[in-house]
Amino acid sequence: NAGVTQTPKFRVLKTGQSMTLLCAQDMNHEYMYWYRQDPGMGLRLIHYSVGEGTTAKGEVPDGYNVSRLKKQNFLLGLESAAPSQTSVYFCASSYGGNTDTQYFGPGTRLTVL
Amino acid sequence: AQSVTQPDIHITVSEGASLELRCNYSYGATPYLFWYVQSPGQGLQLLLKYFSGDTLVQGIKGFEAEFKRSQSSFNLRKPSVHWSDAAEYFCAVGPIIQGAQKLVFGQGTRLTINP
Repeated sequence: NAGVTQTPKFRVLKTGQSMTLLCAQDMNHEYMYWYRQDPGMGLRLIHYSVGEGTTAKGEVPDGYNVSRLKKQNFLLGLESAAPSQTSVYFCASSYGGNTDTQYFGPGTRLTVL
Repeated sequence: AQSVTQPDIHITVSEGASLELRCNYSYGATPYLFWYVQSPGQGLQLLLKYFSGDTLVQGIKGFEAEFKRSQSSFNLRKPSVHWSDAAEYFCAVGPIIQGAQKLVFGQGTRLTINP
């Protein structure tokens, strides 16, 4: 049981480049989340999904797109990266909704030059 | 709009001493409240959560938190800290919409343990 895994662990992009971050979970969880963590700001919710084929916007969705084509995977895309998107990105998943525990991945550190 | 304030950015305590981390929130209804811990280079791990019932909540690793509606607070406590408790701690509050936890996190409190 790997839990929640994130690929890649580190990435450096130039402004305007695109990339996709992959989150995978092997716990058959229904709900999945993408957060970004910036110094002094805690975590902020980017997008989330309440099930396969569904996505919804969180607190800071601009500049990001997501897809949940398979239940176990939740992809976060940056179409045209900007320096303001330099951050650590965390994926999380939970079995059900409401107060079910969210399980977090180890994070992806992204730098946009 | 909901918000969470953790007034202490950094706290240092001696090993074996008691600990209290403060969390104040602003929210229009009865909130769902969470405390998470993040060890260096790791993701977050849930310590405990409150959504109704007994206002004193027990969590993992010997932590507890008390919900005080009158003070809009949800402070985290531990009677005796261990060196392994050194980490960053986040309080979070949020509504639950269509089952999804739309959490707002505080800025975090970094805990350092003196031997």
